[in-house]
Amino acid sequence: AQTVTQSQPEMSVQEAETVTLSCTYDTSESDYYLFWYKQPPSRQMILVIRQEAYKQQNATENRFSVNFQKAAKSFSLKISDSQLGDAAMYFCAYRTNNNAGNMLTFGGGTRLMVKP
Amino acid sequence: EAQVTQNPRYLITVTGKKLTVTCSQNMNHEYMSWYRQDPGLGLRQIYYSMNVEVTDKGDVPEGYKVSRKEKRNFPLILESPSPNQTSLYFCASSPLDRVGEKLFFGSGTQLSVL
Repeated sequence: AQTVTQSQPEMSVQEAETVTLSCTYDTSESDYYLFWYKQPPSRQMILVIRQEAYKQQNATENRFSVNFQKAAKSFSLKISDSQLGDAAMYFCAYRTNNNAGNMLTFGGGTRLMVKP
Repeated sequence: EAQVTQNPRYLITVTGKKLTVTCSQNMNHEYMSWYRQDPGLGLRQIYYSMNVEVTDKGDVPEGYKVSRKEKRNFPLILESPSPNQTSLYFCASSPLDRVGEKLFFGSGTQLSVL
């Protein structure tokens, strides 16, 4: 079974600064997807960014980018120019391409606080 | 509007009193899933379904039941709730080939079992 680990329960960043959230995963598969989700206080789950394992290029979405290290099984999220609205829980998730199984596994989450 | 409707949003109950949390989606998605969210543990999958009448256990299925009689509905049933089932519950749906990237979540149900 796949596992996803987020080793930072809480992080804080000054507004306009850059912060990196860590995520590691364990799998024996070579073809999979990785995601970062944001959960603000409203409890809504919002997809921030996705990465396909077969793509070497790191995904980027505006101020959000990832550092995907496949050999190290690491998938960190970098938030640049942090804004107050970035304060939320962030979850890393792994999706197998094996349709026969439990498809999506989440990490334990990192609470990000943004200081004005 | 495409959405997953989950009810109720908040629920307080007592040990042993059967309850059902409803989940309905209007996007004709094949895949539906239930998660529970607990501090430090993230979201853990309870049950999932890849189509009508097809359901399977996730990581933490004990104490829960589900059914998928219609494509749009995927209720979560707690036959005899216990305090360790106090948690925040999410229903989600997705096209089967886009799980993760096109995963629509409900607004969550905060359940307290006394």
